[in-house]
Amino acid sequence: EVQLVESGGGLVQPGASLKLSCVASEFTFSDYWMSWVRQTPGKTMEWIGDIQYDGSYTNYAPSLKNRFTISRDNAKSTLYLQMNNVRSEDTATYYCTLTTEGMDAWGQGTSVTVSS
Amino acid sequence: DIQMTQSPASLSASLGETVTIECLASEDIYSNLAWYQQKPGKSPQLLIYDANSLQDGVPSRFSGSESGTQYSLEINSLQSEDAATYFCQQYHDYPYTFGAGTKLELK
Repeated sequence: EVQLVESGGGLVQPGASLKLSCVASEFTFSDYWMSWVRQTPGKTMEWIGDIQYDGSYTNYAPSLKNRFTISRDNAKSTLYLQMNNVRSEDTATYYCTLTTEGMDAWGQGTSVTVSS
Repeated sequence: DIQMTQSPASLSASLGETVTIECLASEDIYSNLAWYQQKPGKSPQLLIYDANSLQDGVPSRFSGSESGTQYSLEINSLQSEDAATYFCQQYHDYPYTFGAGTKLELK
């Protein structure tokens, strides 16, 4: 069974940077596109972006493109989300997902709270 | 961006009933639509992809359909474990977008 385990969340101050990780197992990580999605405290789902299987191509939500960066290390089966200059509206649970047609599998999520 | 208007926001139904949840896309998304189920405190799970294809392991009482830019999720013979929030998501064009969700309560 596909396993996706996110980490790196926590309480951060506005303007800080944070890097989330997602370790994948039980599938060939390097064969798949991966995505990050977040869910606000009000339960709104927002797609953040995705990355091609070899890391050569990424897509982002326009509103986040200038602050968030998605990367991957296929040797470590790990997906990353670098978040810079975080704002209160970035408070959410962040999920990594295995992406084919739709998002086939989701991690358990990691919670990020932006507050001073 | 493609807007996904999901309705209703919430509904209440009894065991054994059939319910339908709808998503209206603001433009043609060519069946590139997924449905997810999210139970309280849990991560979303894929139910349906390509508008009407059932994900492996999902009970056959779940089905998807489309009519133009209107997409529907039907749940037949409601079971207690179907109490959850359901989301639609289009993956036809970037940025991918979600519906606002439908919270299904069992009476």
